[in-house]
Amino acid sequence: EAQVTQNPRYLITVTGKKLTVTCSQNMNHEYMSWYRQDPGLGLRQIYYSMNVEVTDKGDVPEGYKVSRKEKRNFPLILESPSPNQTSLYFCASRGTNSNQPQHFGDGTRLSIL
Amino acid sequence: GEDVEQSLFLSVREGDSSVINCTYTDSSSTYLYWYKQEPGAGLQLLTYIFSNMDMKQDQRLTVLLNKKDKHLSLRIADTQTGDSAIYFCAESLTGGGNKLTFGTGTQLKVEL
Repeated sequence: EAQVTQNPRYLITVTGKKLTVTCSQNMNHEYMSWYRQDPGLGLRQIYYSMNVEVTDKGDVPEGYKVSRKEKRNFPLILESPSPNQTSLYFCASRGTNSNQPQHFGDGTRLSIL
Repeated sequence: GEDVEQSLFLSVREGDSSVINCTYTDSSSTYLYWYKQEPGAGLQLLTYIFSNMDMKQDQRLTVLLNKKDKHLSLRIADTQTGDSAIYFCAESLTGGGNKLTFGTGTQLKVEL
C-alpha cells in the first residue's frame, strides 16, 4: 500500500530538548515536504526536498532543520524546540512531475512545554 | 503574493448539497486541489483541476473554477454525515518546488 509514514504521532516534550520527527514514503517519490498546521492559518510549508541531498526552505523554516540522505526518508529536526513550535506537522511526497498531487502522512502532533 | 481564503464553517443537513468556496490571488496557479481532513487524520486528496479547465465532476463532487474571478468551489451532492470534515483548497504554483499554498480550511458539519 502506498504510504507516507510519520513517527511519532504524538509527542509532548520540553523547551530545548532536541527532537526528530521521521517521515518515510514507499512510493519512490523524488519530492518530499514538511508542513505545519495551525488554527486559522491552514498549512504552511517548512522545508522541501526535490531529491536526495537537495533541500530548500519553505515559508516558515526558522527553528527547523531537515536532511535527505536517502530517497525514502525526510526527517524534520528541531534542535532546540520552543513553545511556538507546538503544532500539527505533516509530511508529504509526490513524484517528479510537479503536477502530480502530494500524498500526506497522518500527522504528528507536537506539544512543546 | 499568494493568499488563499476560505470561510471557516459550513453547516448543512444530510441529503442537501454543500458548496465550499475558495478564493485565491495568484494567477500563475497551475493546479488547484481540494483536500479533506477528518479528525485525527492526515489530508486526503479529493479532487483537483487544471487551471485551464472550468469544471470537473467526479461522482458526488463537482469542482468549478472561475479563473477571471480567481474563485474555486467544491460542491458535494447528497451530503452525508461521513462528509463532516475540514476541507482545504490549495493551489500549486510554479517555482519554489511547486509548493502547495493552502487555504485556512472550511469545517463542514452535516446534521441529521
